Amino acid sequence: GQNIDQPTEMTATEGAIVQINCTYQTSGFNGLFWYQQHAGEAPTFLSYNVLDGLEEKGRFSSFLSRSKGYSYLLLKELQMKDSASYLCASMDSNYQLIWGAGTKLIIKP
Amino acid sequence: DTGVSQDPRHKITKRGQNVTFRCDPISEHNRLYWYRQTLGQGPEFLTYFQNEAQLEKSRLLSDRFSAERPKGSFSTLEIQRTEQGDSAMYLCASSLEASQRPYEQYFGPGTRLTVT
Repeated sequence: GQNIDQPTEMTATEGAIVQINCTYQTSGFNGLFWYQQHAGEAPTFLSYNVLDGLEEKGRFSSFLSRSKGYSYLLLKELQMKDSASYLCASMDSNYQLIWGAGTKLIIKP
Repeated sequence: DTGVSQDPRHKITKRGQNVTFRCDPISEHNRLYWYRQTLGQGPEFLTYFQNEAQLEKSRLLSDRFSAERPKGSFSTLEIQRTEQGDSAMYLCASSLEASQRPYEQYFGPGTRLTVT
């Protein structure tokens, strides 16, 4: 079957670093996506990994290990505006996104 | 604003009524997706179009749901004989097959449906 697992909720402190993990199992694999979603709003694209390794984009980085079916999103220098849900999604062999339930990130001052 | 737009943003309807939602994708995007999202869950795929052709429809989608994209531009999603379980956020997304990142989907603001 197809499955995406990520923690339900995480809490971190403003200015700190947080890592959100995601494990996936899909029929075929065409890349791993991370989206950010603020409450009541639509998801917005953060990153896309299809090869193993780390992709860095400003304060956000995303890592992929295809052999382990594992990815993480790393957020540095946390700001209050980073409080949101972070959705992990794997693209399967039909180029459809299989979504996790999201990790709600709470930033405390 | 040239992003994805959806109309209406909110819809309250009584059980048994029909509702129709509209999505206008980014103008040059040829792929259009419909998702449903409930609180605390990720988006659930409903269907997708490439130009005017509906290429895939989720097995989870009952016959009460139908979608069209008649001219390969805007799309409509209709739900007939609504049930309380249909209450959710309905998201539309679009992407451009020929772009450098063809699978990056841009989402609209969503239509929140409440069935009473």
